[in-house]
Amino acid sequence: AQSVTQLGSHVSVSEGALVLLRCNYSSSVPPYLFWYVQYPNQGLQLLLKYTSAATLVKGINGFEAEFKKSETSFHLTKPSAHMSDAAEYFCAVSADTDKLIFGTGTRLQVFP
Amino acid sequence: NAGVTQTPKFRVLKTGQSMTLLCAQDMNHEYMYWYRQDPGMGLRLIHYSVGEGTTAKGEVPDGYNVSRLKKQNFLLGLESAAPSQTSVYFCASCYGGSTDTQYFGPGTRLTVL
Repeated sequence: AQSVTQLGSHVSVSEGALVLLRCNYSSSVPPYLFWYVQYPNQGLQLLLKYTSAATLVKGINGFEAEFKKSETSFHLTKPSAHMSDAAEYFCAVSADTDKLIFGTGTRLQVFP
Repeated sequence: NAGVTQTPKFRVLKTGQSMTLLCAQDMNHEYMYWYRQDPGMGLRLIHYSVGEGTTAKGEVPDGYNVSRLKKQNFLLGLESAAPSQTSVYFCASCYGGSTDTQYFGPGTRLTVL
């Protein structure tokens, strides 16, 4: 069965520092993988998705993620954090043809 | 183009009361989903629909019912609300299932006393 694990429910970084949010997945078939972001009091919106076309995926707002099959990982990174990046981030994996399984989320705090 | 809208935005119920949450999308999407979001538990799928007239159970369906009589609308019902159903509910829609981007509504914050 497919599953996704996000390591670290809270991550804190200083403005300008590297952002690294971890996601590991389990899937019996080639997965589709997603990162979504949720700003306070809003719904989720797509940051980026992996669909097997390229292992390094670039998303909005300077974020990118690398699919590593050998490590079953899809970690999200951004070279330099901005105050506006403070939000909750969710990793998700395709469960079957119809639906996704979401991780428990990582709340990112950015300090000045 | 409003995207995905949810009605109401906030609601307080007493234990045992019933209510219906409405989700509407104007993107002609086939797939629609209802999730609940609880602290530390991420998003959990309640029910979903792969097209007009269809519904299917998700991870946490107990205590909820759904209907998709029109393609653009997906209703979530609570027949007898319980405090355990206090949560934030999100609706989402997409065109192509699990390979496609899901578009989320702004959420409904429900409190059951």
